Amino acid sequence: EAGVAQSPRYKIIEKRQSVAFWCNPISGHATLYWYQQILGQGPKLLIQFQNNGVVDDSQLPKDRFSAERLKGVDSTLKIQPAKLEDSAVYLCASNQLGLAATDTQYFGPGTRLTVL
Amino acid sequence: GDSVTQMEGPVTLSEEACLTINCTYTATGYPSLFWYVQYPGEGLQLLLKATKADDKGSNKGFEATYRKETTSFHLEKGSVQVSDSAVYFCALSDLSGGFKTIFGAGTRLFVKA
Repeated sequence: EAGVAQSPRYKIIEKRQSVAFWCNPISGHATLYWYQQILGQGPKLLIQFQNNGVVDDSQLPKDRFSAERLKGVDSTLKIQPAKLEDSAVYLCASNQLGLAATDTQYFGPGTRLTVL
Repeated sequence: GDSVTQMEGPVTLSEEACLTINCTYTATGYPSLFWYVQYPGEGLQLLLKATKADDKGSNKGFEATYRKETTSFHLEKGSVQVSDSAVYFCALSDLSGGFKTIFGAGTRLFVKA
């Protein structure tokens, strides 16, 4: 079974530029998550999708971050314009249901963003 | 709100030494508790979990017991290997938090041969 795919793996941009990340979850997984992991910290949830609907985006900085999951499969996360403090690893995860506390999440390898 | 606190690293051990990584939590409800591991260059993966008080999760020689009275979920292994070198994250998921997963800051483990 293929895992969660993410691209690119690394990205370096200058502040005020735009950047987009792509995620393809495990086939059949209804729920998709985007996390931000700043160096030395644990992952922080940015947005959670159930199929193509948003379940939780309370911690997404909506003035600069946006995400979509068209057709309920793959997803893109965009930052426009980027700030220095956006430098982090962006993780995508998926699971089958996502609404039960016992569900295991499956993580992709992440995209490391550096904003100069 | 819900939170997870785990011991700071890095933790450096010799091969075959005993490991304990402390984790305590704060939650308003009855959360499920998880340990995730991140090996160098890889994504996070679930190591073990426990869904109710006194449950013991175990995998790959690692164990953790859900202690409601002390709000703890310490990770233990009797004999570590070099291949256990990784970052370990304690996490919880709680109905009152909308089943959002809250992660600790992570503890890096180095095991020397």
